[in-house]
Amino acid sequence: DTGVSQNPRHKITKRGQNVTFRCDPISEHNRLYWYRQTLGQGPEFLTYFQNEAQLEKSRLLSDRFSAERPKGSFSTLEIQRTEQGDSAMYLCASSQGVQPQHFGDGTRLSIL
Amino acid sequence: AQSVTQLGSHVSVSEGALVLLRCNYSSSVPPYLFWYVQYPNQGLQLLLKYTTGATLVKGINGFEAEFKKSETSFHLTKPSAHMSDAAEYFCAVSDQVTGGGNKLTFGTGTQLKVEL
Repeated sequence: DTGVSQNPRHKITKRGQNVTFRCDPISEHNRLYWYRQTLGQGPEFLTYFQNEAQLEKSRLLSDRFSAERPKGSFSTLEIQRTEQGDSAMYLCASSQGVQPQHFGDGTRLSIL
Repeated sequence: AQSVTQLGSHVSVSEGALVLLRCNYSSSVPPYLFWYVQYPNQGLQLLLKYTTGATLVKGINGFEAEFKKSETSFHLTKPSAHMSDAAEYFCAVSDQVTGGGNKLTFGTGTQLKVEL
């Protein structure tokens, strides 16, 4: 059990640029979740996958956001045309079925 | 819709004193309840969970929580605080309805400070 891995840990970009984050879940976990956490707040659900299928998306996930999980393994979260309000910590979690979610250390996104 | 309210965004205790962090939830279906801890620039670590069965749940690092359905509460306690307990604590709820993905709804967190 090597834990959930997220890359990069930090990303600084200019407004309007596209960014992509990667999450490698615990290998035997079939569910993968993305959350966003802003300063002073708890994480907010964005989307989740069961294997390769994206089964639910939050209203927080605007058209500029897209997530994929090809082959049910790692996942990517892409943000197009970044805006100031996208600055946050993006957290990935994985679980096996309904077992508790294990979180990665997150990717902190800063928009200049 | 589910929600979580954590009373007190900041709690300060002396080392060795009782820790009590409050959490109230709202859920239209039987809930799963969780406490997570977050250290600076890190992800969340599970402290304990309630699913079904015994309402007093013991977790890691000496923490425990009691599910009280009548009060819709799931308060976190530790008899004796240690300096290493200083961190942010999040209460979370998910529902027991299958097919819902068990996404977590978090409270806004409580920052615990432990003083000498």
